[in-house]
Amino acid sequence: DVKVTQSSRYLVKRTGEKVFLECVQDMDHENMFWYRQDPGLGLRLIYFSYDVKMKEKGDIPEGYSVSREKKERFSLILESASTNQTSMYLCASSLRFWSGANVLTFGAGSRLTVL
Amino acid sequence: TQLLEQSPQFLSIQEGENLTVYCNSSSVFSSLQWYRQEPGEGPVLLVTVVTGGEVKKLKRLTFQFGDARKDSSLHITAAQPGDTGLYLCAGGLRVSNTGKLIFGQGTTLQVKP
Repeated sequence: DVKVTQSSRYLVKRTGEKVFLECVQDMDHENMFWYRQDPGLGLRLIYFSYDVKMKEKGDIPEGYSVSREKKERFSLILESASTNQTSMYLCASSLRFWSGANVLTFGAGSRLTVL
Repeated sequence: TQLLEQSPQFLSIQEGENLTVYCNSSSVFSSLQWYRQEPGEGPVLLVTVVTGGEVKKLKRLTFQFGDARKDSSLHITAAQPGDTGLYLCAGGLRVSNTGKLIFGQGTTLQVKP
């Protein structure tokens, strides 16, 4: 069964700490995404990557960075966590070919609490 | 900035009732997808519609893409407690080969037995 795996389901960090959220996919997908999910706001795109070492900012990149050194792995980094970054973080992947019906496969999410 | 307005945001109904969730935008999308998310899990794709006016059925769920490809609806007939969850619509933009999607705010559905 193909998967997107987020290594940490629940994290509790303190303000100012550096946080790494890891995501691995086994489907050989070119595109990978990091979304943030908050009640009433839906999913908001933080960053996406369409190839190794390539990245583009999404709608809310401030306070975040990403790393994609290998095709299967996409990491989200919070350089200095703040309380307003308490949220559910969802990683997703998809094929590169744009057929007008691109489908995202999501991980189970990482719930981050910043105290 | 493209927006996708989803309504209602919350819906609590009795088992057996019908319901419709709407997804509206001023933007034209090349595709419209519906996802369902259960607590503790990531969203899972239910359906993709790509042609204006297209209607797709998935058992008791009927999905429609507007003629102008700016809106979509999800209709559930005779809802069951197993339909409980968060329903998300997502519009596809043909701006690059990255497959970027714009998500609605989500509709939380509770079906009471």
